[in-house]
Amino acid sequence: GIQVEQSPPDLILQEGANSTLRCNFSDSVNNLQWFHQNPWGQLINLFYIPSGTKQNGRLSATTVATERYSLLYISSSQTTDSGVYFCAVESWPQLVFGKGTKLTVNP
Amino acid sequence: GAGVSQTPSNKVTEKGKYVELRCDPISGHTALYWYRQSLGQGPEFLIYFQGTGAADDSGLPNDRFFAVRPEGSVSTLKIQRTERGDSAVYLCASSQQGNQPQHFGDGTRLSIL
Repeated sequence: GIQVEQSPPDLILQEGANSTLRCNFSDSVNNLQWFHQNPWGQLINLFYIPSGTKQNGRLSATTVATERYSLLYISSSQTTDSGVYFCAVESWPQLVFGKGTKLTVNP
Repeated sequence: GAGVSQTPSNKVTEKGKYVELRCDPISGHTALYWYRQSLGQGPEFLIYFQGTGAADDSGLPNDRFFAVRPEGSVSTLKIQRTERGDSAVYLCASSQQGNQPQHFGDGTRLSIL
C-alpha cells in the first residue's frame, strides 16, 4: 500500500519562529489533507491540497504531486500552534496517515 | 449539527464486555468512515460507508468488530468481547461524497481495564 513519511518527527520552536513540515508519499494521489491534532486530541482540517499552493492566515501548503511531496509552512508561530501535524493521502476510500510531526512552541 | 458528533467522549469498561460507539455525521454527508488511533500513531482506517452499506470493511481487525448505518446517517461501531488491546481513540469522519475532504469528530476514548 501507499507509504506516507513525515519529517521532522519532532520540532521545538520559540514563539515567532517560522517552520516547514514535509510529507513524502510513495504513489500518485487524488487527495491530500493536512490536519492539526491539538493537545485535546481534536483533529482539525487545515488544507485539502492534492496539488498547488494554498494559504490560510499564517499557514500555507504546497503539494507537488509529480514529485510526490507536500510542504506545510507555519509562519510567526504561536503557542497555540503546538500539537501534532498529520499529512494524510487518499488510498481509496481511506486516508493513509503519516506518523505526524510533533510541534512544541515555547513562549 | 455543524460538525461530526461522537458519543460518548470517553468509555471505560472491563475486558470481555460489549461496547457501542456512536457517530452522527455532518448533515448531508453520504460518506462515513471509522478510524482507530493508538497512542503516538496516526489514525488507521477501519470501515467506510456510502449511504447505508459498508462499501469497504477491510480495516476491521477481526470479527469482534462490526459497524452499522441503517438509515444512511448515524453509524454505530460495535465491539464484542473487548480486549485490552482495543484501547484506543475511535474517530469518525464524514465527507459530502467519496473523494471529498474528510471531516473528523472529536473521537471516543475507549479504555479496556
